[in-house]
Amino acid sequence: GQQVMQIPQYQHVQEGEDFTTYCNSSTTLSNIQWYKQRPGGHPVFLIQLVKSGEVKKQKRLTFQFGEAKKNSSLHITATQTTDVGTYFCAGPPGGYNKLIFGAGTRLAVHP
Amino acid sequence: DAGVIQSPRHEVTEMGQEVTLRCKPISGHNSLFWYRQTMMRGLELLIYFNNNVPIDDSGMPEDRFSAKMPNASFSTLKIQPSEPRDSAVYFCASRTGVGEKLFFGSGTQLSVL
Repeated sequence: GQQVMQIPQYQHVQEGEDFTTYCNSSTTLSNIQWYKQRPGGHPVFLIQLVKSGEVKKQKRLTFQFGEAKKNSSLHITATQTTDVGTYFCAGPPGGYNKLIFGAGTRLAVHP
Repeated sequence: DAGVIQSPRHEVTEMGQEVTLRCKPISGHNSLFWYRQTMMRGLELLIYFNNNVPIDDSGMPEDRFSAKMPNASFSTLKIQPSEPRDSAVYFCASRTGVGEKLFFGSGTQLSVL
């Protein structure tokens, strides 16, 4: 079935370093969404990308949607301890309305 | 708005018992999702509803699991009989429509002993 793959599974960084997580789908996605889950919390929506090649920024976070609409990335510049959590990408398998989540990338930031 | 409300927050039960998880979506949202989260399997979609109608339950693990949405403001996920491997955090989420963002509840931490 349709899958959304996400790497890496886990990343350790020193505060101030950059961080990137990658998301790949086996099929073309009509859109892709990104969520953040703090430890002990629930996923919270960050952003949605719809257009091929789209790039969106939220302060230190940069989101990209691939030209083929099969991959996406989230880049955090100069990480802070508040960035700690698990970042998920999620997309609807082609022709369906449900939202499938990637495995997530857990980010640890050391001060 | 109070957001998506789930109850109970924590549930500890013994193997073989029936468990019922509850969810109240955000008013005006017409889609509701049930997810299960474990370390091993991540966030798995169990079932989702559009306008109170179950659309896709292919993620429901087996016949022990059932979900209902009798009206637009309430949904239940029932496990009968429960097993230790059902231990997980169960999230309910809702959205206004297709392609829109999901709003998650705080989840129910289920432990089956």
